[in-house]
Amino acid sequence: ETGVTQSPTHLIKTRGQQVTLRCSSQSGHNTVSWYQQALGQGPQFIFQYYREEENGRGNFPPRFSGLQFPNYSSELNVNALELDDSALYLCASSLVRGESYGYTFGSGTRLTVV
Amino acid sequence: GENVGLHLPTLSVQEGDNSIINCAYSNSASDYFIWYKQESGKGPQFIIDIRSNMDKRQGQRVTVLLNKTVKHLSLQIAATQPGDSAVYFCAENKNKLIFGTGTRLQVFP
Repeated sequence: ETGVTQSPTHLIKTRGQQVTLRCSSQSGHNTVSWYQQALGQGPQFIFQYYREEENGRGNFPPRFSGLQFPNYSSELNVNALELDDSALYLCASSLVRGESYGYTFGSGTRLTVV
Repeated sequence: GENVGLHLPTLSVQEGDNSIINCAYSNSASDYFIWYKQESGKGPQFIIDIRSNMDKRQGQRVTVLLNKTVKHLSLQIAATQPGDSAVYFCAENKNKLIFGTGTRLQVFP
């Protein structure tokens, strides 16, 4: 059973640029969530995808967008990067059958915006 | 509202002692909580969960207690080991995870 894998592990971007982060779900999981974790803080929910549709969104602007693919992998896209977007971005997959049955996190992508 | 917070930012314990990490929540309708451990450079790792129909749940060396009256939960780690050093988060599961700030557990010999 494979876990959740994220790529890249580290990334440096310039303010105003766009970035795409990728996530492969754990085998058997059908839902992917993305979280932003600023240094010294708990992860903050960005959004969740289920059956390739956005299924819940946190307090993040529209320049944060995502995709889920038929194989349940996912992308997080951030446009017009700002310095405050520097954070660890975590992907979590889960199996939802009416309710969630636990989340498995990847190790994250460390994004630095300069 | 959505507010899951922790009392102590850092907890230092001696190896072999028991550790207790606390967490408060504000939404009395909250019914499912999870404790996560996050080591440096890694994502959060599931430790144990508890639903509101229970007030105690035990795992291997860990126990979670839920006091719905005062909206408080705690994670107890028995015989703390150096490998337990990490940041611990409580999170409420409402079809998304609402995390607290976290408590850093430091284990010294």
